[in-house]
Amino acid sequence: DAMVIQNPRYQVTQFGKPVTLSCSQTLNHNVMYWYQQKSSQAPKLLFHYYDKDFNNEADTPDNFQSRRPNTSFCFLDIRSPGLGDAAMYLCATSRERTGSPLNTEAFFGQGTRLTVV
Amino acid sequence: AQSVTQLDSQVPVFEEAPVELRCNYSSSVSVYLFWYVQYPNQGLQLLLKYLSGSTLVKGINGFEAEFNKSQTSFHLRKPSVHISDTAEYFCAVRRVNTDKLIFGTGTRLQVFP
Repeated sequence: DAMVIQNPRYQVTQFGKPVTLSCSQTLNHNVMYWYQQKSSQAPKLLFHYYDKDFNNEADTPDNFQSRRPNTSFCFLDIRSPGLGDAAMYLCATSRERTGSPLNTEAFFGQGTRLTVV
Repeated sequence: AQSVTQLDSQVPVFEEAPVELRCNYSSSVSVYLFWYVQYPNQGLQLLLKYLSGSTLVKGINGFEAEFNKSQTSFHLRKPSVHISDTAEYFCAVRRVNTDKLIFGTGTRLQVFP
């Protein structure tokens, strides 16, 4: 059974038109991450949540926002997508930092590939 | 801040040959180390992880990695690769008692028949 689910798998949006990507998890993990991965590059951390505590990366553009209404769901909002925002967006979850080290790995969804036209 | 370096962007190898994918990290504090594999248009799947203890860790699909603290390395190895191992491999680091997971730039393993 899928544990981290991202919808949709493929998203096409128009230049400048707001778009929302969604992620849900059945693992009850405290931490949720959003990564941006451009072609042939490493996943780049945009932000992460520890419960409702939001942690933005310093170089994440203001164009990217996130919401986490409850433990299970997390959304990535791109307010005005540009051509440079076309990428694979990966959601991941993990247990909290103070938990057992045996549970430190992150579990990833299948990703949403965003195309901007 | 921690960082991860994967020196080889591409590693071509013939089927059944051994392979080593290199990873070096920098951090002033203790870290957890991970290797993930990514197949085309898929998310990342954990291969193995180093938390503490034995420096040689074994993972799925016949992969293993060795943690070397003095060289700040965590190289991934497999004694005999298969065509199906063709994928992108990412090394990642997470400082102990933090939530932030940072990835290296990735190594594309291409296995030829």
